[in-house]
Amino acid sequence: EVQLVESGGGLVQPGGSLRLSCAASGFTFSSYWMHWVRQAPGKGLVWVSRISSDGSSTNCADSVKGRFTISRDNAKNTLYLQLNSLRAEDTAVYYCASDPGHGGYPGWGQGTLVTVSS
Amino acid sequence: DIQMTQSPSSLSASVGDRVTITCRASQSISRYLNWYQQKPGKAPKFVISAASSLQSGVPSRFSGSGSGTDFTLTISSLQPEDFATYYCQQSYSIPYTFGQGTKLEIK
Repeated sequence: EVQLVESGGGLVQPGGSLRLSCAASGFTFSSYWMHWVRQAPGKGLVWVSRISSDGSSTNCADSVKGRFTISRDNAKNTLYLQLNSLRAEDTAVYYCASDPGHGGYPGWGQGTLVTVSS
Repeated sequence: DIQMTQSPSSLSASVGDRVTITCRASQSISRYLNWYQQKPGKAPKFVISAASSLQSGVPSRFSGSGSGTDFTLTISSLQPEDFATYYCQQSYSIPYTFGQGTKLEIK
């Protein structure tokens, strides 16, 4: 069974940084593209970033480009998202999601809440 | 970026009703269209991939159709557990954009 468990969220001041982690189990992590999707309180789903199965290729949404960095450690079955220069509008639940290659997400974590506020 | 527009934004229906949700892409996405169901406080659940492929464990009352720019999600006979918010998502090109969601409520 696919299991994804996010951690690392919390309250941070504007301009601050956080690193989110997503621990994967129950599937061959190194064979899957992985994504981050976020959801602001009461709002819809927004794609944030993706990384290829071997970590050699990454993409980010324009709204986070230059501030957020996605990475992975296949030896540890863990996905990361480094969040820098955080803004109030980055406040959201951040989900990691697994992509077997067709762009859909059969596996989702439970989400981790990032709150950016002074 | 490809814009995804769902209609309606909200829908009231009764148990046993047949309901259809529409998703329109701002340009052709072939059949790279996915549907998700989300209940309050929970992560989304993958319902349909590639416009019409039902995911394992999803009841057969759910179906999807369409290609190009116009897509539909149909629930043939609503059950109490189907009341949720539904999102479409295109996986044709980065960024993988979602529709704004359709909230399905009990009448």
